[in-house]
Amino acid sequence: QKEVEQDPGPLSVPEGAIVSLNCTYSNSAFQYFMWYRQYSRKGPELLMYTYSSGNKEDGRFTAQVDKSSKYISLFIRDSQPSDSATYLCASYYGGSQGNLIFGKGTKLSVKP
Amino acid sequence: DVKVTQSSRYLVKRTGEKVFLECVQDMDHENMFWYRQDPGLGLRLIYFSYDVKMKEKGDIPEGYSVSREKKERFSLILESASTNQTSMYLCASSSGTENTGELFFGEGSRLTVL
Repeated sequence: QKEVEQDPGPLSVPEGAIVSLNCTYSNSAFQYFMWYRQYSRKGPELLMYTYSSGNKEDGRFTAQVDKSSKYISLFIRDSQPSDSATYLCASYYGGSQGNLIFGKGTKLSVKP
Repeated sequence: DVKVTQSSRYLVKRTGEKVFLECVQDMDHENMFWYRQDPGLGLRLIYFSYDVKMKEKGDIPEGYSVSREKKERFSLILESASTNQTSMYLCASSSGTENTGELFFGEGSRLTVL
């Protein structure tokens, strides 16, 4: 089974809130986990990349992978209106990037 | 910065027309990809290519073909456009030497088939 499941939202939060975005995946062989951000009328761009389990932090963003529960999370601290975008999780087991599986995306709106 | 350029941002075509979507990348990437993105369905891989003149089918290749005559250029061809091919088409490239899963996307081509 190839799926990566993601709640499509939309999610609306006030500026300054902590945002939690989540995905689940079914293939236990997946080793690489990514979050892409897509602004309206633009292509996706890689935001965070994590290999295997654990946390990775980059500024206000934290990516977390729990392989035991097959759960992928992205946390945004002190959210800003400029964070308003669609966030797509993705994962695969390495090798051919043709095997990369994307979630359907969660649309986030941060209100000033 | 890596740049992936899609030649047309917006196209309107008639049913049955042949449609060419062009994509060029400037970072000497080995891999190139064509996706379509639809509301509620997310990103779906149509075709990808690891090298010149080489192609692999993705999840939804039916009704599409591709051409990669030069390393920097990857074209998506709709031989006979149909209304169910109305979509946003996204081209992407990657270096192929890393397992980060990082794809560099173009800004997309929104195709409407009437």
